[in-house]
Amino acid sequence: DAGITQSPRHKVTETGTPVTLRCHQTENHRYMYWYRQDPGHGLRLIHYSYGVKDTDKGEVSDGYSVSRSKTEDFLLTLESATSSQTSVYFCAISEIQGDEKLFFGSGTQLSVL
Amino acid sequence: GENVEQHPSTLSVQEGDSAVIKCTYSDSASNYFPWYKQELGKRPQLIIDIRSNVGEKKDQRIAVTLNKTAKHFSLHITETQPEDSAVYFCAATISGGYQKVTFGIGTKLQVIP
Repeated sequence: DAGITQSPRHKVTETGTPVTLRCHQTENHRYMYWYRQDPGHGLRLIHYSYGVKDTDKGEVSDGYSVSRSKTEDFLLTLESATSSQTSVYFCAISEIQGDEKLFFGSGTQLSVL
Repeated sequence: GENVEQHPSTLSVQEGDSAVIKCTYSDSASNYFPWYKQELGKRPQLIIDIRSNVGEKKDQRIAVTLNKTAKHFSLHITETQPEDSAVYFCAATISGGYQKVTFGIGTKLQVIP
C-alpha cells in the first residue's frame, strides 16, 4: 500500500472550535485530496491539491480550508466546527492527473458535539 | 458535471452465488471507471478499473463491463465468499483531465455463509 497516514484517527470536539486534520505521504505523489464520507452520500470531495501551495475547492468546501506547504503534507482545517461536519474524513493521493488510482488513508472519525 | 447513480444500495447473496452492482453515468466524456471496496472500518481500496476503449475486464473472481452507448457499467463478483462482504463504490472521471472523479453512493454487499 501507498505510504499515507492520517492524524488523528479519532477526535471529539465542541461546536465552534477550530480543528486541523493532517495527511502525510511518503510517496512523493503530486495530487492530494480530502474527502468526507457520510451515509447515503458516498465519498464527497472537499478540497484537493495539485502541488505545493496549489489547491482548489471540491463539491463540499464550505466551512473548510486547506494548506500544502510541503509535497508530503496536506492539512484540512475546520475554522469553526459545526455538528454537520461530524463525519469520517479520508485523505487520498494519486500520481496521475484525473484522480486515477486513488490511494486512501485510514480515515479520521470526527465528532462535533 | 458528472452524475453517477449506483444500485442497489444493499445486496445480500448466499455464499457461492454471484453478485452484480450496476452504475450509470451522465457525462459521455468520462472514460475511466474505477471500483473501490471498503471493508467495515477500513479505507476504500481500488479493486479494479476499466477504460472506455475496453468493454470488459476480469481479475480472478471479479469482472467489470462497460456499455458506452448506454452509459452504464457493472461489477460482477462470482463465487462470492464471506470476505467479499463490504461496501463497493463505483466512480467515473476523465482520465488525465481536470475533472474530479465522481463516486456513486455505494452498495453494501453481504455474503451469507
